[in-house]
Amino acid sequence: DIQMTQSPSSVSASVGDRVTITCRASQDISSWLAWFQQKPGKAPKLLIYAASSLQSGVPSRFSGSGSGTDFTLTINSLQPEDFATYYCQQANSFPLTFGGGTKVEIK
Amino acid sequence: QITLKESGPTLVKPTQTLTLTCTFSGFSLSTSRVGVGWIRQPPGKALEWLALIYWDDDKRYSPSLRSGLTIIKDTSKNQVVLTLTNMDPVDTATYYCAHTLSGGAYFDFWGQGTLVTVSS
Repeated sequence: DIQMTQSPSSVSASVGDRVTITCRASQDISSWLAWFQQKPGKAPKLLIYAASSLQSGVPSRFSGSGSGTDFTLTINSLQPEDFATYYCQQANSFPLTFGGGTKVEIK
Repeated sequence: QITLKESGPTLVKPTQTLTLTCTFSGFSLSTSRVGVGWIRQPPGKALEWLALIYWDDDKRYSPSLRSGLTIIKDTSKNQVVLTLTNMDPVDTATYYCAHTLSGGAYFDFWGQGTLVTVSS
């Protein structure tokens, strides 16, 4: 199985900050990576697929980069509605696997 | 527009079999490349992928649960059914179904989830 490791596990930030979350795969997954946002009591929401493609309707302050084993989700100018938990997921091979999550909290 | 909704028991006893149904609209599981997957999330923990079925009846399972999992589709009813045998308290989680397309198993539409508690 491909292990997905996210860091940090939590981050405190203020509105307007830039936040960067990293995800590392235990083996090369090319660009087969997605990022999700999840708010308490809600289903995950797809933000980014294929490592850097923005899902329809997602604000442009979200961006993804990386390939191979190292990936980054960047949120520019953090907004109040962005405080949530973020997960990466590899889609390179089965079994599909998720990272452990990164909670973005209000400083 | 694509919607999915999970249904099933909220409480099951240890050793029992869990059967969950995902009822969807806005797409057909007879359309090329379409798939429906199941993902679960124990309270306060991360997401865990369980199973996925594609339009052509190709089925994929999590190896850690393979022997206890079954996924089937009923195209005429727009439903996907997941069964998990020999339930244990560690299987307490919110269970989600989600839509995907082959060529990249990205889950772009999700159901609201259903919380299943395993307790005697």
